[in-house]
Amino acid sequence: SAVISQKPSRDICQRGTSLTIQCQVDSQVTMMFWYRQQPGQSLTLIATANQGSEATYESGFVIDKFPISRPNLTFSTLTVSNMSPEDSSIYLCSVANWDAGAFFGQGTRLTVV
Amino acid sequence: EDQVTQSPEALRLQEGESSSLNCSYTVSGLRGLFWYRQDPGKGPEFLFTLYSAGEEKEKERLKATLTKKESFLHITAPKPEDSATYLCAVRNAGNMLTFGGGTRLMVKP
Repeated sequence: SAVISQKPSRDICQRGTSLTIQCQVDSQVTMMFWYRQQPGQSLTLIATANQGSEATYESGFVIDKFPISRPNLTFSTLTVSNMSPEDSSIYLCSVANWDAGAFFGQGTRLTVV
Repeated sequence: EDQVTQSPEALRLQEGESSSLNCSYTVSGLRGLFWYRQDPGKGPEFLFTLYSAGEEKEKERLKATLTKKESFLHITAPKPEDSATYLCAVRNAGNMLTFGGGTRLMVKP
């Protein structure tokens, strides 16, 4: 199994500001995934972060709003830009695993006020 | 488009009262159905993987079963520490995961 460290674990931010979430994996992985989990909802895939290339975004998510970096095979960041209260969610970093589907970080609980 | 529907959305049980959670799915080329447990403020934690109809997996008070259209997570004699949200997900032929909305389980002592 992979150990995924995500930080910050929670933050309260002012609207209009940006927050960068960091994700560190204890082993090298080709793809890392970023999910959003809105209150009371399930997980929605934001984008797939590939090392050495641009992230692949899912429908409804754009690079200007959620820029992603993937500088190496163990690290990625997700930035939530120009935040509004609608961005209040849990953001989860994940790596794929054939046997378990995916392993997840502990999540970042973001509240925008 | 792959779809995963979990029911009920919320379930309250008394300690020791057994029950089942349902996960109905449609997927293009099932490559695995997964159950996760998610505690408040934490990421999902892997429980089980099922690959084919008829398969069963068991761990402590939990047993997961799979048919061609749905999966059940049976909880036998639950304890308060089993309280959590249980998520179901399917992986398709393109190796993409689709998650259900989850069942919020509350077990009262």
